[in-house]
Amino acid sequence: AIQMTQSPSSLSASVGDRVTITCRASQGIRNDLGWYQQKPGTAPKVLIYGASSLQSGVPSRFSGSGSGTDFTLTISSLQPEDFATYYCLQDYNYPYTFGQGTKLEIK
Amino acid sequence: QVQLQESGPGLVKPSGTLSLTCVVSGGSISSSNWWSWVRQPPGKGLEWIGEIYHSGSTNYSPSLKSRVTISVDKSKNQFSLKLSSVTAADTAVYYCARFYSSSFNYFDPWGQGTLVTVSS
Repeated sequence: AIQMTQSPSSLSASVGDRVTITCRASQGIRNDLGWYQQKPGTAPKVLIYGASSLQSGVPSRFSGSGSGTDFTLTISSLQPEDFATYYCLQDYNYPYTFGQGTKLEIK
Repeated sequence: QVQLQESGPGLVKPSGTLSLTCVVSGGSISSSNWWSWVRQPPGKGLEWIGEIYHSGSTNYSPSLKSRVTISVDKSKNQFSLKLSSVTAADTAVYYCARFYSSSFNYFDPWGQGTLVTVSS
């Protein structure tokens, strides 16, 4: 199975900060990667698919980049509602695998 | 829009079988998408369990394959998960989700999740 390694595992930041989360695949996955946001007690929500495509309705402060093995999720200016846990997911091959998550907390 | 709703027992005894159903509303399960189950142990990350197409074709995670069965009932517009020989390690919130398939793929929407506890 492809391993997805996210970093950092946790992050403290302030409203207005620019934040970057990275995800590294154990082998090349083209751009078959999505980013999901999960708030406590709720289901994950897709933010980015195809490594860089913004899901409809997701604010433009979220962006994704990368291809092959290295990917990033960037939030350009943190808003209070962005404090959550973020997961990457590869759907290049089976079994689909998630990163371990990055918990974004308020500083 | 498409909505998903999980249902099933919240408590299962060790060595028993976990059974959940996901009802699809606002769209057809026979659309060109796969339908998945994902779980999340309390306080931990997400794990993909497996998926099914309306034809009945399935793909499972190798780590669970020997214990998992996913089935579809097109007449009821729903799909189901069975996980046998459960232990406490199978305690988790179980989500169903549509794997939207186009030039790129992603999980959307998701059900709200249902907590299943394995305990005697």
